[in-house]
Amino acid sequence: NAGVTQTPKFRVLKTGQSMTLLCAQDMNHEYMYWYRQDPGMGLRLIHYSVGEGTTAKGEVPDGYNVSRLKKQNFLLGLESAAPSQTSVYFCASSSWDGLTDTQYFGPGTRLTVL
Amino acid sequence: AQKITQTQPGMFVQEKEAVTLDCTYDTSDQSYGLFWYKQPSSGEMIFLIYQGSYDEQNATEGRYSLNFQKARKSANLVISASQLGDSAMYFCAMSPRSNDYKLSFGAGTTVTVRA
Repeated sequence: NAGVTQTPKFRVLKTGQSMTLLCAQDMNHEYMYWYRQDPGMGLRLIHYSVGEGTTAKGEVPDGYNVSRLKKQNFLLGLESAAPSQTSVYFCASSSWDGLTDTQYFGPGTRLTVL
Repeated sequence: AQKITQTQPGMFVQEKEAVTLDCTYDTSDQSYGLFWYKQPSSGEMIFLIYQGSYDEQNATEGRYSLNFQKARKSANLVISASQLGDSAMYFCAMSPRSNDYKLSFGAGTTVTVRA
């Protein structure tokens, strides 16, 4: 049982390049989320999904796109990377089990845009 | 948007002593969840404890307890018998049930445990 995994762990991009971050969960969770964490700050929600084939915007969605073609996977895309997108990206998943909706996080991806 | 406030940027605590981390929140929802996460220097987000808004008893998980005061909208984390491994950043978060279970996070409190 791996929980939530993220690929890659580190990435360096040049301004204008594109990339996709992959999140996978093996807990059969309905909900999946992408957050970014900037130095000295809490996490901010980028996009999320309430089920396979659905996506929705979070607090800071500009410059990102997402897709959830399979229940266990949630992809975050940067079409044209900017230095302001240098951050640590976390994926999380959850389901409401009648008692709690605890989100479990992946290990994070550290992205640097030069 | 939900607002989570953690007023203590950093705290020092002596090993084996207890420490309380403050968290207040603002929401108009009646049904919500409160969470605390630990982020050590290695960077991962570790779930510590959960409290539901309708739970009458304060949540406890080992050395962690959540002091929930609903009327004051506060959800303080108490770590008892601090250990060196407790040195980390701690985040308070809230999830309203009416909002797709999205989490809003506070800015965090850094705890340093001294030997």
